[in-house]
Amino acid sequence: QKEVEQNSGPLSVPEGAIASLNCTYSDRGSQSFFWYRQYSGKSPELIMSIYSNGDKEDGRFTAQLNKASQYVSLLIRDSQPSDSATYLCAVNMEYGNKLVFGAGTILRVKS
Amino acid sequence: EAQVTQNPRYLITVTGKKLTVTCSQNMNHEYMSWYRQDPGLGLRQIYYSMNVEVTDKGDVPEGYKVSRKEKRNFPLILESPSPNQTSLYFCASSFGTSNEQFFGPGTRLTVL
Repeated sequence: QKEVEQNSGPLSVPEGAIASLNCTYSDRGSQSFFWYRQYSGKSPELIMSIYSNGDKEDGRFTAQLNKASQYVSLLIRDSQPSDSATYLCAVNMEYGNKLVFGAGTILRVKS
Repeated sequence: EAQVTQNPRYLITVTGKKLTVTCSQNMNHEYMSWYRQDPGLGLRQIYYSMNVEVTDKGDVPEGYKVSRKEKRNFPLILESPSPNQTSLYFCASSFGTSNEQFFGPGTRLTVL
C-alpha cells in the first residue's frame, strides 16, 4: 500500500460545477495534511492545510478530514478553467517526521 | 520578498560529470528538503535537513549528496550523474514538516 494515494485522473468537470478530489493515507498517526496545486511546469503552491477532523473552508475551497477513515478530500466550488491543474495531497507522517506526497490528480475544468 | 531560489533552472549534462544544484531560502526556515518529480510518480523526497549540520535520507537518496553548512543554503550534489537522474528537481523549505512548505521554481536536469 502506498503511503499517500490519489486517483491520477484526469477528473473533468464543467465550469461552475463542484470538483471533488480525494486522498487516502496509510499512517494512522498523521496529524498534518496539505493540498497543493501545481500548474504544468511550475512549482507546487499551497491551497489548504488541515489538522483536525471536519471541514475547513477558504473561499471556493473546502478541505475535509476524517482521521478514522484515513481520508482527506478537497472540494472546489464554482470550478473555473483556471483551476485546471494537478492537485497534490501531502501528509506529514508521524514516523520519520517526513512529508509524503501523493502522485497527484489532474483536474480539467471545461468551459 | 520571501522566496526559495534554485540555480540553475535548466541543465543539460553528460554522464559522470559532477554537478551541484544550489538552493537558498530567506525565510529563516529550519527544515529544507529536495524532491524529484517524474511523470506518474509525483514528488519523491531525496534528502532533507532539520537544521544546520543535520541531514537525513528521504525515499530516493541513491546517487545524491547534500550538505547544510548554513541555515539558508541546502545544495544538492550529483557526484556522477546518470541518465536515470534526468528529472525535475524542487527544493523546499518550512519551519517544520507540520508547516507549509515553500517550493523553489524547479531545476530541469537532463543527463545524456
